[in-house]
Amino acid sequence: DGGITQSPKYLFRKEGQNVTLSCEQNLNHDAMYWYRQDPGQGLRLIYYSQIVNDFQKGDIAEGYSVSREKKESFPLTVTSAQKNPTAFYLCASSIRDRGAYGYTFGSGTRLTVV
Amino acid sequence: SQQGEEDPQALSIQEGENATMNCSYKTSINNLQWYRQNSGRGLVHLILIRSNEREKHSGRLRVTLDTSKKSSSLLITASRAADTASYFCLMDTGRRALTFGSGTRLQVQP
Repeated sequence: DGGITQSPKYLFRKEGQNVTLSCEQNLNHDAMYWYRQDPGQGLRLIYYSQIVNDFQKGDIAEGYSVSREKKESFPLTVTSAQKNPTAFYLCASSIRDRGAYGYTFGSGTRLTVV
Repeated sequence: SQQGEEDPQALSIQEGENATMNCSYKTSINNLQWYRQNSGRGLVHLILIRSNEREKHSGRLRVTLDTSKKSSSLLITASRAADTASYFCLMDTGRRALTFGSGTRLQVQP
């Protein structure tokens, strides 16, 4: 079955470390997105990518980096510059004509700083 | 960025009752979508309504859209305990990013 796979499901990071969250899709979707969700709040856009080798900052990109070397993969790195990284991270994808059919979301990664 | 507003923020009802949640937004949209999120999980797409549509049904779900008021409502009829989740509206504004509402937490008591 097609879908989005996020890994790991839970991730613990020490202060000052960089960590990378994986997002892989086999839907042949052109666009991919990363969102952050804090407890009791909505989703905020970190980065998005419409095509391979291109990505754009979202609303809260500071302290994060991404790459889009393959259509299927859109990993997110949480760097030590991100001051408050503890949150739930969701990856999503859509076809190029994103408005027509909705979006597919992964099951999320919960990142905790210890 | 523009975020949609949802109300109520939280809703608690008994099984069998109907649940209504509302979403308001600020700019014009191409379509509006509703998603469900179970605690700590990803989002599940429920229904999409285009800007030229006024009402749409899917099973126990009914969505309305009033573009003149820039608002949408999601009605879940004959609710079940399994409907307990957070519900988000998503506004597709034609920009290259997604804008979510703030969410409604629904609790259905058995």
